Amino acid sequence: GENVEQHPSTLSVQEGDSAVIKCTYSDSASNYFPWYKQELGKRPQLIIDIRSNVGEKKDQRIAVTLNKTAKHFSLHITETQPEDSAVYFCAASLTTDSWGKFQFGAGTQVVVTP
Amino acid sequence: NAGVTQTPKFQVLKTGQSMTLQCAQDMNHEYMSWYRQDPGMGLRLIHYSVGAGITDQGEVPNGYNVSRSTTEDFPLRLLSAAPSQTSVYFCASSPAGTANTGELFFGEGSRLTVL
Repeated sequence: GENVEQHPSTLSVQEGDSAVIKCTYSDSASNYFPWYKQELGKRPQLIIDIRSNVGEKKDQRIAVTLNKTAKHFSLHITETQPEDSAVYFCAASLTTDSWGKFQFGAGTQVVVTP
Repeated sequence: NAGVTQTPKFQVLKTGQSMTLQCAQDMNHEYMSWYRQDPGMGLRLIHYSVGAGITDQGEVPNGYNVSRSTTEDFPLRLLSAAPSQTSVYFCASSPAGTANTGELFFGEGSRLTVL
């Protein structure tokens, strides 16, 4: 089955700096890679996603890159702000139509200090 | 729309007790799933359903039962609770077909403690 590894487990950055979180996956059949943000005591919420036919996707201060050959994808947050402090999870779909069966990474606790 | 609603939000059980975590969605989503979240382990899939009457096991199904008699509801049953089932449980749903963007819509979570 699919195995997703996520690094680092914790990340401390100064406000305004960039943050990068990396994930690797094992199943070459995976084709959809979402990123979820979870604030303390809240539910996970999708912030950005990428499909296997795209190498990079950007949405304002966040971007995701995908390297299918190497089976890794990364989340980039630029100009970090205190409200970016949260746990971030990467995931990979276990089915080709990505209908809710995902393998999640262990999560990265991001702390943005003013 | 209320989205995905989970009850209860908090529950304390004794070892061996049984209980049901309720999950309901009002978005007419075909796909529903249950995940558990433990520190340092991310979200792990327990059971999932692609429609009423159809369920299947995920990564960590032992100790849990599910059924899907309606599109709206997907309850998770613990038959004999164990301390290892202490966790935060999330129910999630997503639509099928062309409406599916891949996004999972999560409930607020249910924190379960088994003593």
